[in-house]
Amino acid sequence: QVQLVQSGAEVKKPGASVKVSCKASGYTFTSYGISWVRQAPGQGLEWMGWISAYNGNTNYAQKLQGRVTMTTDTSTSTAYMELRSLRSDDTAVYYCASRGRWEEGLYYYYGMDVWGQGTTVTVSS
Amino acid sequence: QSALTQPASVSGSPGQSITISCTGTSSDIGGYNFVSWYQQHPGKAPKLMIYDVSYRPSGVSNRFSGSKSGNTASLTISGLQAEDEADYYCSSYTRSNTLGVFGGGTKLTVL
Repeated sequence: QVQLVQSGAEVKKPGASVKVSCKASGYTFTSYGISWVRQAPGQGLEWMGWISAYNGNTNYAQKLQGRVTMTTDTSTSTAYMELRSLRSDDTAVYYCASRGRWEEGLYYYYGMDVWGQGTTVTVSS
Repeated sequence: QSALTQPASVSGSPGQSITISCTGTSSDIGGYNFVSWYQQHPGKAPKLMIYDVSYRPSGVSNRFSGSKSGNTASLTISGLQAEDEADYYCSSYTRSNTLGVFGGGTKLTVL
């Protein structure tokens, strides 16, 4: 069936890096992008960015520029999100999402109907 | 602070209808028809319920409907059921951020 399966929970110290994986199955991986969304404990949803699995184009949230890198491996239908220089306020559940819609003229990717189960990243000394 | 404003909570009894609002500006909701709504149960991933203001993805109950008037989008749930109790988030394109923006979320309680 159509699904995204994410890697397991991580505990990191401040200043370290984390790399979360998201493996797709049941649909044509390269026909869509992968968005990453995070949710701090008890808080709302926050867009982190997206990557096109077709051509590797990316669009990152301004507040994360320079600390985040999103990549894909089309041979394994897997997307990765790496976040560096971790801080305590990066503690959150990180979700990947796909099978969305492109609005090319606005460089906007939205309406994802497949989501991963979430990966908890805890940043603590 | 979210760019889109949602009520913190709404409630309704089984069988009733409720509406959740999502207020933005002419730079987001008012200017584009790219409003989406997501449902999130505790400890679960979000689920797409509505896209492009009023379209339902395959498999989403027709008890869920979306609309927009001016700078405010709305999600209406008719025939409330216990399983509808969840958090609901709106999202829209915004000229200031090509990633889009979420509302702060609304907790729906089914009494």
